[in-house]
Amino acid sequence: ETGVTQTPRHLVMGMTNKKSLKCEQHLGHNAMYWYKQSAKKPLELMFVYNFKEQTENNSVPSRFSPECPNSSHLFLHLHTLQPEDSALYLCASSQEGAGAEVEKLFFGSGTQLSVL
Amino acid sequence: GQNIDQPTEMTATEGAIVQINCTYQTSGFNGLFWYQQHAGEAPTFLSYNVLDGLEEKGRFSSFLSRSKGYSYLLLKELQMKDSASYLCAVRDSNYQLIWGAGTKLIIKP
Repeated sequence: ETGVTQTPRHLVMGMTNKKSLKCEQHLGHNAMYWYKQSAKKPLELMFVYNFKEQTENNSVPSRFSPECPNSSHLFLHLHTLQPEDSALYLCASSQEGAGAEVEKLFFGSGTQLSVL
Repeated sequence: GQNIDQPTEMTATEGAIVQINCTYQTSGFNGLFWYQQHAGEAPTFLSYNVLDGLEEKGRFSSFLSRSKGYSYLLLKELQMKDSASYLCAVRDSNYQLIWGAGTKLIIKP
């Protein structure tokens, strides 16, 4: 079992649909992240949760809505998306704070999203 | 603004050595990371440098010069499985990660 699992791996949706991406981490980490990865562009940080509290929202449009019910699970709810939102959405986790080894990120394999 | 530059694509031969460069301009510096990402897979951590010098891990080494805003990832004895994208990221003074767009490395037999 990998440390960070994401479902679904692929998603095709119309602009009027509502869907959710799911992420689960089995590493006991205290921070979770949503990133957007578009071809030939740097990773874009969307949301950060630390101890279940959202600590960062990088000016993400409201059609993306995160939810973190506990420190192991993270969701990204999608509604009325645009074609330019098509990308790979990566979830990651890390152990933050004093005593943590190098605060490296552990990524899931991502959800490849296509908006038609 | 903050910026990370790395080549878009590189090609190398199996068994050879390749060096992937990364230059950065950031607001402060709290460490530099290299990640490897195979096509369709999760990025995975390769190395971390916070002090100047070379960090060696088997076939992979990473170098940092803070005064020059420069790092490189050195891959020796290249194998076909090393074909992947290599992502450089710098943690700035606010502990935010600034990412490069990645370097796609193609290994030819």
